[in-house]
Amino acid sequence: DTAVSQTPKYLVTQMGNDKSIKCEQNLGHDTMYWYKQDSKKFLKIMFSYNNKELIINETVPNRFSPKSPDKAHLNLHINSLELGDSAVYFCASSQPGLDREERQETQYFGPGTRLLVL
Amino acid sequence: RKEVEQDPGPFNVPEGATVAFNCTYSNSASQSFFWYRQDCRKEPKLLMSVYSSGNEDGRFTAQLNRASQYISLLIRDSKLSDSATYLCVVSPLRYSTLTFGKGTMLLVSP
Repeated sequence: DTAVSQTPKYLVTQMGNDKSIKCEQNLGHDTMYWYKQDSKKFLKIMFSYNNKELIINETVPNRFSPKSPDKAHLNLHINSLELGDSAVYFCASSQPGLDREERQETQYFGPGTRLLVL
Repeated sequence: RKEVEQDPGPFNVPEGATVAFNCTYSNSASQSFFWYRQDCRKEPKLLMSVYSSGNEDGRFTAQLNRASQYISLLIRDSKLSDSATYLCVVSPLRYSTLTFGKGTMLLVSP
């Protein structure tokens, strides 16, 4: 019963190719995210969608385009892959709501997609 | 100054030891604070939220000091299975991004 799943788990491709990573969550959450974790293990937000609408778009190249066909799915398409795109990409989801101190909700992460661009 | 700073470690401790991690954050508007745990080649998982009054979950205790913009995590009676990277995470608002520290690596040895 995987809550947040991603495919593929590993992706090895050549520079210049276009590739997609898929993410699905079965938690009924309204908000989904894409994060990038680079070789130095630094985890950084890329995009956030709430109910299929883009709400956060950090400074990422236009080559990265998220698509949310429905609130359970958030896919990431990458055009013209570059060497520097090699990283682990994590999808996450959360359910907006207020906890006892009216704070940010917990985010649940997928297992990650390890992208290697050669 | 980095948004969230942590000592990368590694912290090498024997089983049964008590170990403490610290984290400082730069955005005084931060409202939400968490500790996540990330095992090698795995995804981050929530370890515990950090509330203003501090909170405890079994062997784990988290404290928040808003005046000093400082968060701590104390692990008592360390187990081998506690070996992981511990990520300090802050966020200013709902729907806002989580800002992760680079993590502190803990290695618990027999």
